[in-house]
Amino acid sequence: AQSVTQLDSHVSVSEGTPVLLRCNYSSSYSPSLFWYVQHPNKGLQLLLKYTSAATLVKGINGFEAEFKKSETSFHLTKPSAHMSDAAEYFCVVSDPRSSNTGKLIFGQGTTLQVKP
Amino acid sequence: ETGVTQTPRHLVMGMTNKKSLKCEQHLGHNAMYWYKQSAKKPLELMFVYNFKEQTENNSVPSRFSPECPNSSHLFLHLHTLQPEDSALYLCASSQDSNLLSYNEQFFGPGTRLTVL
Repeated sequence: AQSVTQLDSHVSVSEGTPVLLRCNYSSSYSPSLFWYVQHPNKGLQLLLKYTSAATLVKGINGFEAEFKKSETSFHLTKPSAHMSDAAEYFCVVSDPRSSNTGKLIFGQGTTLQVKP
Repeated sequence: ETGVTQTPRHLVMGMTNKKSLKCEQHLGHNAMYWYKQSAKKPLELMFVYNFKEQTENNSVPSRFSPECPNSSHLFLHLHTLQPEDSALYLCASSQDSNLLSYNEQFFGPGTRLTVL
């Protein structure tokens, strides 16, 4: 069965410092992996996606993630945090057994706090 | 209106009430989804509709009844709910539900439901 684990429920950084949000996945197949962000009282927005092309994926707002098959990881990074990055972040894996029914499996989320 | 809209944004109802949540997408997509987001739990997929046909029912109790009259509108009819059904209900849409196309899902802001 596929699963995704976000290793930190809460991450706090200072503005201007690097961000690292960790995600590990479990999959018997070749997964597709996504990071979504949810700002307060807003819907989820796609940051980036990995679809078996380049292992280093660049997304919006300066975020990027690297797919490491040997470590079954897909960590999200950003060189310099901005106050507007404070939000909830979700790592998501697709379930290829249900590839025709749109089933995504969400991690529990990581709350990113950015301090001035 | 652009993107995915949901009404109402907040709803409080008693266990004997009947209410409906509405979702509308203005993106020309063919697939629509209902998700449940509870505190401290991963996002749970409830239903998937592709070209107005239901393609996934993720073992959702019958007190939740979806309706998809056309590709732009999705409803969630609620009756005799329980307090544990209190959550944020998110609607999403994508070009179609075939993840082999790596279609991004676009989310609405959600309806915050409280069942008393």
